[in-house]
Amino acid sequence: AQSVAQPEDQVNVAEGNPLTVKCTYSVSGNPYLFWYVQYPNRGLQFLLKYITGDNLVKGSYGFEAEFNKSQTSFHLKKPSALVSDSALYFCAVRFKSNYKLTFGKGTLLTVNP
Amino acid sequence: DTEVTQTPKHLVMGMTNKKSLKCEQHMGHRAMYWYKQKAKKPPELMFVYSYEKLSINESVPSRFSPECPNSSLLNLHLHALQPEDSALYLCASSQDLATHESNEQFFGPGTRLTVL
Repeated sequence: AQSVAQPEDQVNVAEGNPLTVKCTYSVSGNPYLFWYVQYPNRGLQFLLKYITGDNLVKGSYGFEAEFNKSQTSFHLKKPSALVSDSALYFCAVRFKSNYKLTFGKGTLLTVNP
Repeated sequence: DTEVTQTPKHLVMGMTNKKSLKCEQHMGHRAMYWYKQKAKKPPELMFVYSYEKLSINESVPSRFSPECPNSSLLNLHLHALQPEDSALYLCASSQDLATHESNEQFFGPGTRLTVL
């Protein structure tokens, strides 16, 4: 079975500092990996995905994520956080043989001015 | 157009009411999904339609009744709901149910449902 773990319920960073939101996955084979962001009272917005190739994936709003196969991780990063980045972030995994998305529990990111 | 729209944005209903949620996309997608999301929790898959036919029902109670009248529209009919059904209901679409790498899901903004 595929599963995703986001070990931190909350991450707090100061504006201008780098941020990392962690994600690890457990699947057999090579999955597709996604990050979505959800602002308050809004739906999910796609940030980026890893399919194959370069382990560093660049996405929307200056976010990037690094795929690490040996550690089965797909951490979301941004070099300089903005207050407007404060939101709920979901990591998701999909088997290459399955259309279903499995979401992590979410990490609430708060960027303090 | 890469947008999924949902109406209404907010809905308050009593336990005896009948209401419907609507979802629309004009991306030519042939797979559409309903998710339920409780506050600060991940979305939970409810139903999947593929080419206007119901493909997946994730053991959802019959008080939720999905309908796909055409390839662009997806409805969720609600009847005799319970207060615990209060949640954000998200619609999503994807090209189809094939598993190729570019087949990602696009989400709508959701309908915030409150059952009194």
